[in-house]
Amino acid sequence: DGGITQSPKYLFRKEGQNVTLSCEQNLNHDAMYWYRQDPGQGLRLIYYSQIVNDFQKGDIAEGYSVSREKKESFPLTVTSAQKNPTAFYLCASSPPGHQAGYTFGSGTRLTVV
Amino acid sequence: GQSLEQPSEVTAVEGAIVQINCTYQTSGFYGLSWYQQHDGGAPTFLSYNALDGLEETGRFSSFLSRSDSYGYLLLQELQMKDSASYFCAAGDKIIFGKGTRLHILP
Repeated sequence: DGGITQSPKYLFRKEGQNVTLSCEQNLNHDAMYWYRQDPGQGLRLIYYSQIVNDFQKGDIAEGYSVSREKKESFPLTVTSAQKNPTAFYLCASSPPGHQAGYTFGSGTRLTVV
Repeated sequence: GQSLEQPSEVTAVEGAIVQINCTYQTSGFYGLSWYQQHDGGAPTFLSYNALDGLEETGRFSSFLSRSDSYGYLLLQELQMKDSASYFCAAGDKIIFGKGTRLHILP
């Protein structure tokens, strides 16, 4: 079955460390996205990529970095520059257009300890 | 700036009908989408309206009025499993509202 796989499901980070969240899709979608969700809040866009080797900043890109070396993969690195990284991180992908909507992974819950 | 406004919470009774409203202000509007998210889970796509009018998919319907920058999600014959948060989304870089938590009473 096609879908998006995010790993790990739970991640604990010490202050000052960088961590990388994995996102892999086998839907053959060109576009991929990273969102952050805080309790009781909507989803805020961190980065998005519409094609391999290209990505754009979203509304809250500071303290994050991404790469898109393969169509299937869009990893997100949370750097030590991100002052409040504890959150639920969601990766999504979509085909061209908006009719089919986004397909989301099951998310990674990051906690700073 | 871009924003989508929706009520934070709605309560309804099992078997009833509930409407969740969304007003939007976005750049590059192509249509309005709706997503459902259960606690701890990932959002799942429910519907998309590109044109004015009502789209029906089973118990769920979605409406759009582009002239009013307004849409709604209508849930009929509510079931306990419909208890979740519902998000509207729009824009050229898709942005999401803060979500409406739907509480269903038996």
